[in-house]
Amino acid sequence: QKEVEQNSGPLSVPEGAIASLNCTYSDRGSQSFFWYRQYSGKSPELIMSIYSNGDKEDGRFTAQLNKASQYVSLLIRDSQPSDSATYLCAVIYSSYKLIFGSGTRLLVRP
Amino acid sequence: SQTIHQWPATLVQPVGSPLSLECTVEGTSNPNLYWYRQAAGRGLQLLFYSVGIGQISSEVPQNLSASRPQDRQFILSSKKLLLSDSGFYLCAWSIAENGYTFGSGTRLTVV
Repeated sequence: QKEVEQNSGPLSVPEGAIASLNCTYSDRGSQSFFWYRQYSGKSPELIMSIYSNGDKEDGRFTAQLNKASQYVSLLIRDSQPSDSATYLCAVIYSSYKLIFGSGTRLLVRP
Repeated sequence: SQTIHQWPATLVQPVGSPLSLECTVEGTSNPNLYWYRQAAGRGLQLLFYSVGIGQISSEVPQNLSASRPQDRQFILSSKKLLLSDSGFYLCAWSIAENGYTFGSGTRLTVV
């Protein structure tokens, strides 16, 4: 059973703080990892992809990957109320199948 | 640029009625296509994926089926809907192992 685990939250942070979202996955052979943002009632939107160990930065977002420990994280710096959403971690397993975690709900308090 | 179209946006259907949801992709050739379902407050469940015309792989046994009659068209169907089929249905496409792009989704309520 291929699994992607996330804390459901909600994770509540004040505006301007750093939000840290975590994800673990079960298959050591996975090579491609993604973070999606989903606003209530909308479809998921890709915000970060990461394929190699280490950090990848894009604006206020930083994705971190540690394949040895099988975890992926997403840091959001200078969090804004507009960042309030559910963040979905996703991992590609064999045959291009993208498997999602259940998501972490983030609330940014003004 | 690539775009993905999915319709209808919302649908209310009685139990036992048939279902047909359509998804089309523009601006790319031979994409991988996917159907996901999201129950209320839950994560995304992969239902079907297709790597080419007529090639369908099912991830979850259920009363749904999928077809890919053309390269950029993916259809989700059911002959008889169940209450448990209610949810948010999302079509997605990808090339190789790049990130998947989702359509705007169909919210299905079976009554």
